[in-house]
Amino acid sequence: ESVLTQSPGTLSLSPGERATLSCRASQSILINYLAWYQQKPGQSPRLLIYAASSRATGVPDRFSGSGSGTDFTLTISRLEPEDFAIYYCQRYGNSPHITFGQGTRLEIK
Amino acid sequence: EEQLVESGGGLVQPGGSLRLSCAASGFTFSNHWMHWVRQVPGKGLVWVSRIESVGTTTTYADSVKGRFTISRDNAKNTLYLQMSSLRAEDTAVYYCVREARFAYGMDVWGPGTTVTVSS
Repeated sequence: ESVLTQSPGTLSLSPGERATLSCRASQSILINYLAWYQQKPGQSPRLLIYAASSRATGVPDRFSGSGSGTDFTLTISRLEPEDFAIYYCQRYGNSPHITFGQGTRLEIK
Repeated sequence: EEQLVESGGGLVQPGGSLRLSCAASGFTFSNHWMHWVRQVPGKGLVWVSRIESVGTTTTYADSVKGRFTISRDNAKNTLYLQMSSLRAEDTAVYYCVREARFAYGMDVWGPGTTVTVSS
């Protein structure tokens, strides 16, 4: 079973700064079936990125995804106050199991 | 508006059973694979189960295999999760989730329903 490891566990930044979140898979993810989700306290997760680099509907263009194989990155170009949340990467698709990373908490510095 | 609303959560004793339901609206339910994902408060997301669009193929996480059964009624636009032999570690918020067509991620999430397994 593929394990997804996110780093860092917590990222402390200020509004206006650039955030770079990492997701590493223990096995190569075929066809880049890698997604990113944002979750705020008391809310359900929200899809941000699918297929490693495609933005979901309504997601601001300051969010971007990149990577392939085993190494993936979510970048937020200029942090807005509403971006401080927990971010999860996910392996999905028609594989036997779907897995999430453990999450990266993005907090205000 | 595309929407999912879960129901059926509650307090159940260890070894007991519970059935969760998820009502879908605002989209063609039968076009989509559906999932259950759970989350212990303060912890991460854990995928539980998946069912393909017509209901003939299901997949489960190892932790629930043999105890949970996912099903759907496309005529009623409803997804189900029958949970049995419940354990304390099954305590979590359970989310009903839509998988977007063409493998475009999990794009619609319900607000979740809480299951507590305790004596």
